[in-house]
Amino acid sequence: QQQVKQSPQSLIVQKGGISIINCAYENTAFDYFPWYQQFPGKGPALLIAIRPDVSEKKEGRFTISFNKSAKQFSLHIMDSQPGDSATYFCAASSPSNTGKLIFGQGTTLQVKP
Amino acid sequence: DSGVTQTPKHLITATGQRVTLRCSPRSGDLSVYWYQQSLDQGLQFLIQYYNGEERAKGNILERFSAQQFPDLHSELNLSSLELGDSALYFCASSVLAGQETQYFGPGTRLLVL
Repeated sequence: QQQVKQSPQSLIVQKGGISIINCAYENTAFDYFPWYQQFPGKGPALLIAIRPDVSEKKEGRFTISFNKSAKQFSLHIMDSQPGDSATYFCAASSPSNTGKLIFGQGTTLQVKP
Repeated sequence: DSGVTQTPKHLITATGQRVTLRCSPRSGDLSVYWYQQSLDQGLQFLIQYYNGEERAKGNILERFSAQQFPDLHSELNLSSLELGDSALYFCASSVLAGQETQYFGPGTRLLVL
């Protein structure tokens, strides 16, 4: 019940295309859903995050869509660029006095020029 | 640069040995988290410390231990090392203990031979 399932494992998109990464969870107590971006040789960095009181959050070319009833959320990267090539992790946490994050398995995105 | 530093960057050791990984959080951050990243397990939460005290525990083996010192730096001790402990170990920090942005360090790559 603590798992977050992420798909696809890898994704190849042409420059200018839309990249879509999906995550699903089971624990209905989760109420914070961040996405982290990781470049080779670097640590993950927060990209964007959402809480279940909204169905969508947009920051620049990055949008999170959230479906509470389906217990799913997704990351959309519009106008994908070669510089977006990285590994993306969705994560979740439940309300508590800790920041413990449960991560998905990650998606390696390659954007071809 | 996230402001989180980790040393060493790389560590090669033998089975049965003990190693210590060190993390200095961002200035002002009170929470330190440790995560293990391996190819088959993804990013796994190990343990969180807040202002010197253990706040949350995850999938941390009994052979592993951690502490946070009064100056807020943290150390992760791994003992009786096994081949399967080979992984990237990340430290992250956040201002407080809850659902906030976690800033990840560059990681320590551990190879157990």
